[in-house]
Amino acid sequence: DQQVKQNSPSLSVQEGRISILNCDYTNSMFDYFLWYKKYPAEGPTFLISISSIKDKNEDGRFTVFLNKSAKHLSLHIVPSQPGDSAVYFCAARNTGNQFYFGTGTSLTVIP
Amino acid sequence: DGGITQSPKYLFRKEGQNVTLSCEQNLNHDAMYWYRQDPGQGLRLIYYSQIVNDFQKGDIAEGYSVSREKKESFPLTVTSAQKNPTAFYLCATRLRHVFDEQFFGPGTRLTVL
Repeated sequence: DQQVKQNSPSLSVQEGRISILNCDYTNSMFDYFLWYKKYPAEGPTFLISISSIKDKNEDGRFTVFLNKSAKHLSLHIVPSQPGDSAVYFCAARNTGNQFYFGTGTSLTVIP
Repeated sequence: DGGITQSPKYLFRKEGQNVTLSCEQNLNHDAMYWYRQDPGQGLRLIYYSQIVNDFQKGDIAEGYSVSREKKESFPLTVTSAQKNPTAFYLCATRLRHVFDEQFFGPGTRLTVL
């Protein structure tokens, strides 16, 4: 039973435009949400997180939005750069310190 | 040079053999995790440990075993009972009182022939 879902397996965006990656979850007890970036054959690297008590967190070009009523979060990257091309995983943490990951969205930024 | 070491990067084993994947960290992090990634799927939690000599099963623990005798080390044994062991295995660590970020190792690609 997938508790964290990323319904778009891939996304292509022109360089300089905004990339929006989406994630849905089912467990209302998750208290932290995270985004990771991953290149092939490497471990994921942490990008940005948001606490369940907030609705927005911004770090440079990356902003994460949380809509608790809809159980939905999104990652905005603006402006998108070719180096942003990677697989992005959404993750959620429960109070038992377990993390649940989505299936990932492959982002391609076209120069 | 702090970090997480997973070795080897590629590992081949014959069906029916147990194999142990290593994960070593010098970040002084309390918690350690093992995940498995299959093509087209997200990371699925196998086991995790929040302190030495203690660990809990994740969602797909069947066919795997772990130990946490030292803070720095969290080896994962893939036993012959694991029906589909071929996968990419990732180890991660986290500071106990940091509620979000996990740090990941480079991963080990296990292929069972």
